[in-house]
Amino acid sequence: DVKVTQSSRYLVKRTGEKVFLECVQDMDHENMFWYRQDPGLGLRLIYFSYDVKMKEKGDIPEGYSVSREKKERFSLILESASTNQTSMYLCASSLSRVKYFGPGTRLTVT
Amino acid sequence: GQQLNQSPQSMFIQEGEDVSMNCTSSSIFNTWLWYKQEPGEGPVLLIALYKAGELTSNGRLTAQFGITRKDSFLNISASIPSDVGIYFCAGLRGGSNYKLTFGKGTLLTVNP
Repeated sequence: DVKVTQSSRYLVKRTGEKVFLECVQDMDHENMFWYRQDPGLGLRLIYFSYDVKMKEKGDIPEGYSVSREKKERFSLILESASTNQTSMYLCASSLSRVKYFGPGTRLTVT
Repeated sequence: GQQLNQSPQSMFIQEGEDVSMNCTSSSIFNTWLWYKQEPGEGPVLLIALYKAGELTSNGRLTAQFGITRKDSFLNISASIPSDVGIYFCAGLRGGSNYKLTFGKGTLLTVNP
């Protein structure tokens, strides 16, 4: 079974803080993704990575950065958290066409 | 980004009833995926479809890849209370293994 884990299920941060969301997959997948999910807007792609140290912007990269130093780990960074970044963040990984999602991190920025 | 048209937005049904939901697009996809998401959890893959016309089952779930490659449907037979959740379709276009386009989901409520 594919396993994608995320470091926190729930996180509360203050405006302006630097936030790290970590994602780890155990299936040696090359591709990893970060999405955010908001009511009425569905899932939106923030960034993805198709190899170690490689990254590409998704549809809504503003205010975010990512890091992929090892194949199994993909980090999402909020350099200076803002209230409009309150959301459910979902990590996913894939080898080919099928994506497997982690359990999500519910981030609240106050 | 492009969206898939998923319908219905929500369904309220009695336990034992069959359910049908679908996704349509103006664009052609080469892969259709169906996911289920429960409250506070990430989406879980239910069925993956790779070829036009393909019909695939997973227990009480059946999904089909439309012949035109622009649509897909998911059926759930003999629904049970644990079927409650949000069901998402997702499509992958040719030439890309990366960018999945999602429907907005169908919220299913099953009354016991």
